[in-house]
Amino acid sequence: EPEVTQTPSHQVTQMGQEVILRCVPISNHLYFYWYRQILGQKVEFLVSFYNNEISEKSEIFDDQFSVERPDGSNFTLKIRSTKLEDSAMYFCASSMETQYFGPGTRLLVL
Amino acid sequence: SQKIEQNSEALNIQEGKTATLTCNYTNYSPAYLQWYRQDPGRGPVFLLLIRENEKEKRKERLKVTFDTTLKQSLFHITASQPADSATYLCALGPDTGTASKLTFGTGTRLQVTL
Repeated sequence: EPEVTQTPSHQVTQMGQEVILRCVPISNHLYFYWYRQILGQKVEFLVSFYNNEISEKSEIFDDQFSVERPDGSNFTLKIRSTKLEDSAMYFCASSMETQYFGPGTRLLVL
Repeated sequence: SQKIEQNSEALNIQEGKTATLTCNYTNYSPAYLQWYRQDPGRGPVFLLLIRENEKEKRKERLKVTFDTTLKQSLFHITASQPADSATYLCALGPDTGTASKLTFGTGTRLQVTL
């Protein structure tokens, strides 16, 4: 069964550093998303992406964040200058209708 | 503002019983509602989707109801097993067929004991 995959599974970085989180969505899906989940809190929407452009973004998704689909398979989330409060699980999802989630990247900012 | 409420207290039930989880929402008119399962440190796993014009949906031991008047969904697991122990998330979507965000509740942790 097709799955969304994400790399790396864990990422530790210093505050102020740039990180890139990578996702391979399910191949025939057209819509792509990033969500995050701070430890012990609910899953929060960050951004949705369709037809090579952002469809919607949340207040969390400020100028420090960007997304890209550099080729036909990968979907990336970049955080330019990480802050302590960016520490969270980041989930990629893809859909035709139902959203299917990847296993997540645990980001720890020190 | 939109609000989605799930029982924050863990639900403990005995194996073989039916677990019933509740999702209530306010200030929202979702086109559909989804239930996901989440295990610790893992991503949400899709279980069921129910649309606003559907009252009930079933899949194996799972049943979901959707009452748009009460603004409530109930999620049932019949003949529960210890393997069903997880956190169950309710998620609402404004639209289908578009790149629409899901708004999640905080989840209810289910513990099924022998």
